[in-house]
Amino acid sequence: GQNIDQPTEMTATEGAIVQINCTYQTSGFNGLFWYQQHAGEAPTFLSYNVLDGLEEKGRFSSFLSRSKGYSYLLLKELQMKDSASYLCAVKDSNYQLIWGAGTKLIIKP
Amino acid sequence: GAVVSQHPSRVICKSGTSVKIECRSLDFQATTMFWYRQFPKKSLMLMATSNEGSKATYEQGVEKDKFLINHASLTLSTLTVTSAHPEDSSFYICSAGGGGSSYEQYFGPGTRLTVT
Repeated sequence: GQNIDQPTEMTATEGAIVQINCTYQTSGFNGLFWYQQHAGEAPTFLSYNVLDGLEEKGRFSSFLSRSKGYSYLLLKELQMKDSASYLCAVKDSNYQLIWGAGTKLIIKP
Repeated sequence: GAVVSQHPSRVICKSGTSVKIECRSLDFQATTMFWYRQFPKKSLMLMATSNEGSKATYEQGVEKDKFLINHASLTLSTLTVTSAHPEDSSFYICSAGGGGSSYEQYFGPGTRLTVT
């Protein structure tokens, strides 16, 4: 079966750095996505990785290793507004998005 | 980025009634739209893929006679929850784009359905 694993919840301090990991087992691979979702709202796109390596976008970076079936989202200089759920999703060989359950990130002052 | 709207944002209905949710792509044409539902603290669950001009493709376990999807134009897809029950209460989200090799999906703001 297809599976996406990510931690259920993480806590970090304002101003710090946090890394959210995602591992996947899917039938084929056509890209990995990270989305941010605030409570009661729809997800918003953060990043897309299809090749190995690190993609940096401001305070957020996303890393992919296809051979390891592994990705992480790195958030720097954490702000209170970063408190949200972070969803990892992978497009499989049929270009269908497989979603992880999300990681709830709690930022403390 | 592209904008997708959903209407209504919140709806409360009585058991046995039907509710229609609209999803519109405001500044682009979407041949494919996706309908998700999300339970509290759970991930998105794809219900169906809505294809303009043809029948929707439903995921396993989703009752197509209960969740009617119509994609009549390139900018509008509707989801009708028929004979709603309290267990249908959920957060319903549509998205557009992202089909095939296209990489980004644009999500609507979601509809909170409560069935009493």
